[in-house]
Amino acid sequence: EAAVTQSPRSKVAVTGGKVTLSCHQTNNHDYMYWYRQDTGHGLRLIHYSYVADSTEKGDIPDGYKASRPSQENFSLILELASLSQTAVYFCASSDWGSSYEQYFGPGTRLTVL
Amino acid sequence: AQSVTQPDARVTVSEGASLQLRCKYSYSATPYLFWYVQYPRQGLQLLLKYYSGDPVVQGVNSFEAEFSKSNSSFHLQKASVHWSDSAVYFCALSLIITGNTGKLIFGLGTTLQVQP
Repeated sequence: EAAVTQSPRSKVAVTGGKVTLSCHQTNNHDYMYWYRQDTGHGLRLIHYSYVADSTEKGDIPDGYKASRPSQENFSLILELASLSQTAVYFCASSDWGSSYEQYFGPGTRLTVL
Repeated sequence: AQSVTQPDARVTVSEGASLQLRCKYSYSATPYLFWYVQYPRQGLQLLLKYYSGDPVVQGVNSFEAEFSKSNSSFHLQKASVHWSDSAVYFCALSLIITGNTGKLIFGLGTTLQVQP
């Protein structure tokens, strides 16, 4: 069974609209992450969280908000979607500290028109 | 600054040939290093990891990697590739953000194409 799931798997949004990407993990991990993947840039960290009800900024947080209402769930919110936010978004979880690898979801392909 | 460099954006090999994908890192502390693979339209899957000890680590699907502190490298190898190995391969470095949190820094990836 997939331990990190994401929804939706793909989405088309309009410029200026609000987009929410959801992530759910059953790994019982404390750490969760949101990355975006663009051609030529690899994966870049947007936001992360190491405990419920708390989020931290990653390397490219501008234009994104995150929410961690529970250990299992982590959302990425684009309040005003822009063309430049067209990308593939990956969620990951980790038990950082005891082991350092991250476990990734299947990704969400977001197209902003 | 901490970084991961994968110098080859694309590698093409024939099925059955040996493979080496290169990874160089820059990090002053003891590195925790990973290789991930991404098949088309899928998320990243862990191939292998290095924390300490034997510099040659074994991974899934007959992949192995060799850590070299002197060369700041963590190259991925496979003795005989199969067409199903065609994918994008990412090298990653675990970086401490604060005392009890960390993140991964990824290279840009190497696209492997295996020709029949």
